[in-house]
Order: sequence, then structure tokens, then C-alpha cells
Amino acid sequence: GQQLNQSPQSMFIQEGEDVSMNCTSSSIFNTWLWYKQDPGEGPVLLIALYKAGELTSNGRLTAQFGTTRKDSFLNISASIPSDVGIYFCAGQLAIKAAGNKLTFGGGTRVLVKP
Amino acid sequence: GAVVSQHPSWVICKSGTSVKIECRSLDFQATTMFWYRQFPKQSLMLMATSNEGSKATYEQGVEKDKFLINHASLTLSTLTVTSAHPEDSSFYICSAYRGLAGFGTGELFFGEGSRLTVL
Repeated sequence: GQQLNQSPQSMFIQEGEDVSMNCTSSSIFNTWLWYKQDPGEGPVLLIALYKAGELTSNGRLTAQFGTTRKDSFLNISASIPSDVGIYFCAGQLAIKAAGNKLTFGGGTRVLVKP
Repeated sequence: GAVVSQHPSWVICKSGTSVKIECRSLDFQATTMFWYRQFPKQSLMLMATSNEGSKATYEQGVEKDKFLINHASLTLSTLTVTSAHPEDSSFYICSAYRGLAGFGTGELFFGEGSRLTVL
């Protein structure tokens, strides 16, 4: 089915660094959501975006809804060890036939530099 | 954020038995819930859409007789894995959709997930 292209697939961080990841799609979305998943747990909603161009922050997290409605990015500033995990973007298509289903990106695995 | 509770968080069963997983939205009513399956190091794979008061809609390739879904109330959906086999072992996650004003705008809140191991 429909897939979002999320990149990078994985990244190593050092404490204090800024982290950035993004998602792109060939389809237009009405909503972009960003989630974080820790091992053995369900994803937790971090930020929700509903308007093209919208820039929203949640603590050290900042996400933007692209003006074309086909992309979004998530930034984490001054990373800390607990930022490790898998981050997923998700979008809700702007067509009624899609119902309320969300399409998920493949995930970005954030790891700590050894 | 809203709270979605999933139970049990893990279950081990013998091959051939059936297992039921419950998903509850604790602080909002969800007309739509979703069931996902997740394999190690992969993204979430949508199995089915559960609509309150009607039959679930299954994604292509998901056996509806194998994975029975019931959405009896606005706060509860259940997934029953019937006659489970080792290949059904996986991490199953439910989610509840909270719609906002306007078409195509809403938030999806996930349960904690249920790890099923079939021996």
C-alpha cells in the first residue's frame, strides 16, 4: 500500500547534538503525526500537524508540515540519551476514500554513538 | 494525550489455541480503532480497521477468519487470534482514532502492545 519515505533509516547521536529526520510522499496529506516507539512498547504521539506550513514545538522537539503538504520534518535539539528509540512519521491522506487510516513511514532508528 | 490501554501485554500459548487481546480507549470514545502487527525492526503493518457497530475492514492478505475483530462499544475493540500457530507470534498493537473538526484531521493513540508467543 501507500508508503511514506522516511529518512534516514538510522542514525547515531552524541549527547548534545541536534537530530533531524524527514518524511516525503507523492500524495497530499491533511495531517502529519510524529511518534516515538521504545522497545516493547506502543508508539507515543509526539507532535500533530494539521496545516500546511505549520511549525510546532514540544519541548526540544520541533516539527513542520511542508507547504506542499507532501512532506514533514522532525528536529530534536540538544539530544539526550533517552532520545534513543524509533521515530515514525504518519500521515492522513486528503481523500475521503482513505477514511481515517494513517500511512506510516519506515521509521528512523536513533542510536547512541559508541 | 489520550490514553489507550491494551491487555494482555504479553501472552504465551500453545499451538492451536485462541488468544484474545483487548483494546480500550480510557478517556475518549473511538468510533474507529485500528489493529497493527509489527515484526522486529520494522514499521507497523495495518491489519484491519475496526468500526463500532459494524464489521471490521481487513487489509489485503489478512485472513479475517484467523484474526477476528469485534468493536462492541465506543471504547472497546478486541482481536482474537484463532487457532494460533508459531508464525502468528508477533507484536500486536491497537490504536484508537480521535477525530477533530474537519475532514482528515485527527490523532491516533496507541496501546502498549501485546507480544504473542505461540509455542
